[in-house]
This record gives sequence, structure tokens and C-alpha cells, in this order.
Amino acid sequence: DAGVIQSPRHEVTEMGQEVTLRCKPISGHNSLFWYRQTMMRGLELLIYFNNNVPIDDSGMPEDRFSAKMPNASFSTLKIQPSEPRDSAVYFCASSLARDRGQKLFFGSGTQLSVL
Amino acid sequence: QKEVEQDPGPLSVPEGAIVSLNCTYSNSAFQYFMWYRQYSRKGPELLMYTYSSGNKEDGRFTAQVDKSSKYISLFIRDSQPSDSATYLCASNTGKLIFGQGTTLQVKP
Repeated sequence: DAGVIQSPRHEVTEMGQEVTLRCKPISGHNSLFWYRQTMMRGLELLIYFNNNVPIDDSGMPEDRFSAKMPNASFSTLKIQPSEPRDSAVYFCASSLARDRGQKLFFGSGTQLSVL
Repeated sequence: QKEVEQDPGPLSVPEGAIVSLNCTYSNSAFQYFMWYRQYSRKGPELLMYTYSSGNKEDGRFTAQVDKSSKYISLFIRDSQPSDSATYLCASNTGKLIFGQGTTLQVKP
């Protein structure tokens, strides 16, 4: 059974460029989460979706960040324009919405470096 | 103040030692408590899951929650080098909030 699949694994880009991160959740899961991890701030929730609908985007740092979930099997996180302070590991996770304990399953992450 | 606080360590112990990892939280509404383990260059994976106060044991791992003091603990018995990882505590009221993570190294 495939887990959460993220692409790309690594992304190196220059300041000002657009970056798109992709995620395929586990089949049957209807909640999807985007997290960002840095040494300084740890693992931070950016946004999460239930049944493809954004529920809480209060963690999105600013308007440069946007996330979409056009269907149950695909989500994107876009940064435009990117800045060096966006450098981090971005994780996607999925779970069953009915699971009140939110047992999350994480992908392997995208290591983003903005030069 | 972060909702879930955790000492980042690092913590280094010899193989076979008992490890104690701890977190505190501030939100009295938290009911579900989890420990995730994260190996280097990997995503976190769920290790232990408890609801409300009490203990839960799974092999060498014991999770403990004390809601009166808002304290979460994870104990690892007979620690192994393969336990070397970052351990993150987490809790939620609608969305999952993680602690900073404690990096553990178990030396052979």
C-alpha cells in the first residue's frame, strides 16, 4: 500500500522564482495537511483540507503562499515569489477526517533551498 | 508561549539505558496525545497514541499523560541504537500541534 507521495524530493531555486510542491495522499484519506519544518521553529502547520476544502490556513505565512486541492488524490503548495527564508523541509500528511485523534501519515518531504 | 513545549536536546545515552522524553502543553482542551518518531531525512511516523490521562505500553515504549499537570512523557526501555531519532510530541483540538522535537542518540 503506497504511502503519502511528495515531489520533488529536493528543489533548489533562486529568489523570486515560483516553486510548486506536490502531494498525493493515501487513497481513502480525506484530510490533507501541509507542514513546514525548520531547525528554529520545528514542525509548523501551514494549512489543512477536509474533503478537498481548506479548513484552516492560519499558518500560511503570507500571501506568497497558496495551496490547492483540486481532487481527493492531489494537492499543491505554491510559493510565488520565493525568498531565502522559505528554505525548509515541507511535509504533506494525510489522515481520515473521522479520526478525531488525527493519526497523520507523512510523506518523505520536499527539501527546498532558495538561494 | 508555544502550545506544546519540548526540550530539543540533544540527548545521548548508552545502549540499554532507560530514556525519558517529556513535553508540556498549555491548552486544557487537548485530549489526544501522540508521539511521533522521525529518522534523519524522513517524515515523522506515529509511534504512540493515547487519549486523555493514563499510561499506554507498546513493547519497549510507554506513553504517559498527566492532564492535571499538562505533562506528556515517553519512556523507552532497553534503548537500542536503532532508536536514535528525533521524537516529537503532539496534541490537538481540531489541528495537530507538534513540539519542537527531542533528538536522541543511543550509543552502542
